[in-house]
Amino acid sequence: NAGVMQNPRHLVRRRGQEARLRCSPMKGHSHVYWYRQLPEEGLKFMVYLQKENIIDESGMPKERFSAEFPKEGPSILRIQQVVRGDSAAYFCASSPQQGGEKLFFGSGTQLSVL
Amino acid sequence: DAKTTQPTSMDCAEGRAANLPCNHSTISGNEYVYWYRQIHSQGPQYIIHGLKNNETNEMASLIITEDRKSSTLILPHATLRDTAVYYCIVRAPNAGGTSYGKLTFGQGTILTVHP
Repeated sequence: NAGVMQNPRHLVRRRGQEARLRCSPMKGHSHVYWYRQLPEEGLKFMVYLQKENIIDESGMPKERFSAEFPKEGPSILRIQQVVRGDSAAYFCASSPQQGGEKLFFGSGTQLSVL
Repeated sequence: DAKTTQPTSMDCAEGRAANLPCNHSTISGNEYVYWYRQIHSQGPQYIIHGLKNNETNEMASLIITEDRKSSTLILPHATLRDTAVYYCIVRAPNAGGTSYGKLTFGQGTILTVHP
C-alpha cells in the first residue's frame, strides 16, 4: 500500500511564475491536508479538502494560493506569481476519515523561488 | 487546543531509552495527547496518542500523569534513526467538522541520538 505521494520533490521557479504541487493520498483516503514549513519555522496548517470540496482554508494566504481535490486525480496546491517568501517545504497529508488526527504525511515538495 | 511546552533539545545514547517530556497544564478533559516526529527532510510521522491511560505500540510508549498535565514519550531503545524533531500536540477529537487534521505544531524537541 503506497503512502502519500507528492511530486515534484523539488521545484524551482523564478519570481512571477506559477508553481503546481501535486499530492496523491493513500489509497482509500478521501481527506487531504496541506501544510507549509517555512525555513526555521514550524509546520503550519494551510487547507483541508475532501473530494471536490474545500472544508477549511483558514491557513491559506488570501491571495495567489489555491487548492483543489478533484473527483479524479491528485490534489493540487497552486501558487500563482510566486515570490521569494513562498520558498518553503510543502507537505501533504491524508486520512481515511474525518476524525483524522492520525495523519499520514508525504515527503514534501521543496519549493525554491529564485 | 491546549498549549504544550517541550524542551528545545535532548541527547540520548544509542541503545538507551529516550524520555521526552511534554507539559500541557491547560489540557481539557476531552483532549488527547498526540506525538509526531519529523526526521530531517521528511514529512512528519505519527507515533502514538492517548487520552489518560498509558499507551504502547511498536514505536513507543506514552505515559500520561494522573492529572493529565504532563506526559512522557518513551523510545525504549533509541537508534541513530530516531534522531528527529518530536512534536507533542494536544487537541480534542471532535473540535468541529472543519478542524479534523488541523494540527498545531510547536517547535518540538530536537532529539539527537549519539553512537
